[in-house]
Amino acid sequence: QKEVEQDPGPLSVPEGAIVSLNCTYSNSAFQYFMWYRQYSRKGPELLMYTYSSGNKEDGRFTAQVDKSSKYISLFIRDSQPSDSATYLCAMSSQGGKLIFGQGTELSVKP
Amino acid sequence: EAQVTQNPRYLITVTGKKLTVTCSQNMNHEYMSWYRQDPGLGLRQIYYSMNVEVTDKGDVPEGYKVSRKEKRNFPLILESPSPNQTSLYFCASSSSVFSPLHFGNGTRLTVT
Repeated sequence: QKEVEQDPGPLSVPEGAIVSLNCTYSNSAFQYFMWYRQYSRKGPELLMYTYSSGNKEDGRFTAQVDKSSKYISLFIRDSQPSDSATYLCAMSSQGGKLIFGQGTELSVKP
Repeated sequence: EAQVTQNPRYLITVTGKKLTVTCSQNMNHEYMSWYRQDPGLGLRQIYYSMNVEVTDKGDVPEGYKVSRKEKRNFPLILESPSPNQTSLYFCASSSSVFSPLHFGNGTRLTVT
């Protein structure tokens, strides 16, 4: 069983839709949770970074962490074609090793 | 501009021919790491370095070497590349092991 599971998609939505991206994990030692966005032919770039359970909002993006269920989510409101990319969840423990999910490919259609 | 620079962006080589992929960062970051990205497998860590002269194996270190002689540079060395090392490689850095990573734009390697 992988430490981090992420549905690879692809996920296709119309412009303006609310998008929900999810990851589950098995290691209860994970304390730091991140979402990266990766455009084609580019390296991943950090979107959201959270340390604890709860919600964190940044513009149209909301990251949610539920440590009791070992489940994290990224919500994108009012999705735009420019949001079309691959979204990677990542998490680490105090030891510092960062584990990535497989990535979910998102396409937002005009 | 703060960035992680990898070279080359694309590389085609033959089995057994030694190659080096360079990585340089201008943010004075202590932590640097190499990943490979393969379809269906996501990003997997090859090697990482907590500081100068300190390196350690990640999840998939076999067939790779690294060195960290100075803070800004972290080259990835394939002494005898094989076709199963055909992949997209990313170098990344951060100010500490607990901080988010800054990634380079990747090196697409093909070994025939």
